[in-house]
Amino acid sequence: SQTIHQWPATLVQPVGSPLSLECTVEGTSNPNLYWYRQAAGRGLQLLFYSVGIGQISSEVPQNLSASRPQDRQFILSSKKLLLSDSGFYLCAYLRSWDPYEQYFGPGTRLTVT
Amino acid sequence: GIQVEQSPPDLILQEGANSTLRCNFSDSVNNLQWFHQNPWGQLINLFYIPSGTKQNGRLSATTVATERYSLLYISSSQTTDSGVYFCAVNEWGLTGGGNKLTFGTGTQLKVEL
Repeated sequence: SQTIHQWPATLVQPVGSPLSLECTVEGTSNPNLYWYRQAAGRGLQLLFYSVGIGQISSEVPQNLSASRPQDRQFILSSKKLLLSDSGFYLCAYLRSWDPYEQYFGPGTRLTVT
Repeated sequence: GIQVEQSPPDLILQEGANSTLRCNFSDSVNNLQWFHQNPWGQLINLFYIPSGTKQNGRLSATTVATERYSLLYISSSQTTDSGVYFCAVNEWGLTGGGNKLTFGTGTQLKVEL
């Protein structure tokens, strides 16, 4: 079966500090991977997606970047955090066979102080 | 890009009541998913339903693709149904692929005893 992991679960960081959030998927190979952010309240916004190693597409210009160093690893980074980067970050993968559903990890709650 | 609207934004029910949540989208889609976000933030897959009708226990969903809407029915609601319900779609024929999801703003459901 396929599973998705994210860490850390919770993070409090000062403004200007770097960020690294990690997402890994098990039980599948070469999945499409996604990073979403959910600001306070509702609504998920797609930040980045990747269709393969080293292939990153950015949806929203911002202070963040993403990398995919391995087939089943997706990393979200920032060199200097802003207050506006606070939120709930969710990683997802696309099932590799029909139906092509996206499944989400447990998320990382980031507070920038 | 495609627009996704959900209604109602908030809903309070007594345990045992039935409800219907609606999702309208502005363009043709090839993927539509319903999710339940529990109080801990986890997104739980409910249905993959780009068209037709599906049922899973007390929940059922119907998508009328030609009229660009989907409905989620919750029958005999329980307190554990509380949370936010999201509809998300992938726009048909979007260049670049990636099967990206655009989320609605959700319906916040509270089920009371």
